[in-house]
Amino acid sequence: GAVVSQHPSRVICKSGTSVKIECRSLDFQATTMFWYRQFPKKSLMLMATSNEGSKATYEQGVEKDKFLINHASLTLSTLTVTSAHPEDSSFYICSANSREGRTYNEQFFGPGTRLTVL
Amino acid sequence: SQQGEEDPQALSIQEGENATMNCSYKTSINNLQWYRQNSGRGLVHLILIRSNEREKHSGRLRVTLDTSKKSSSLLITASRAADTASYFCATALTSGTYKYIFGTGTRLKVLA
Repeated sequence: GAVVSQHPSRVICKSGTSVKIECRSLDFQATTMFWYRQFPKKSLMLMATSNEGSKATYEQGVEKDKFLINHASLTLSTLTVTSAHPEDSSFYICSANSREGRTYNEQFFGPGTRLTVL
Repeated sequence: SQQGEEDPQALSIQEGENATMNCSYKTSINNLQWYRQNSGRGLVHLILIRSNEREKHSGRLRVTLDTSKKSSSLLITASRAADTASYFCATALTSGTYKYIFGTGTRLKVLA
């Protein structure tokens, strides 16, 4: 299956700093990538849909200025948590759809990034 | 937003028993997928079932889909301790956005 990587896998930062998380599709081109966050023992909550070359579409309740998403190429999307606070601590997971075909395809998930804000 | 609810929230069974998890969703879908997640790890794709399919099998996994009831079930037969994980259903809406909405998840514990 296709591989999606995330970097870093784990990050600890001080309150007020910004953190960038990268999501890469390693062996396929991803027209669309998705960002989720997951609190402990909870489900994944979709934060935003990232489309290559255009602005991200954010889900209701997600602050656009807080969570900056850039999808500059067909293999890379970045999520920047700006001015992070302890309540932003979470597990962030990205996923990507293959560009091939127009049908709904399996989503390929990255391994996740655990963010801890002190 | 949460599209699906899973039932039960937690399930504890003995090794060798079957485990059944249910997922209900609210709006029309194009397909539904089941994922597994070990504690603190990423997601592993298990099965995708399309809206025009009723049942699919993969090894010890059996998934059913009832679009009239807006529900799906995941059956794991002859469970093993290694099956201990959280299981999530995710639905792809028919709106053309390709996005998936996850259910609340079932935490399965298989006792050796």
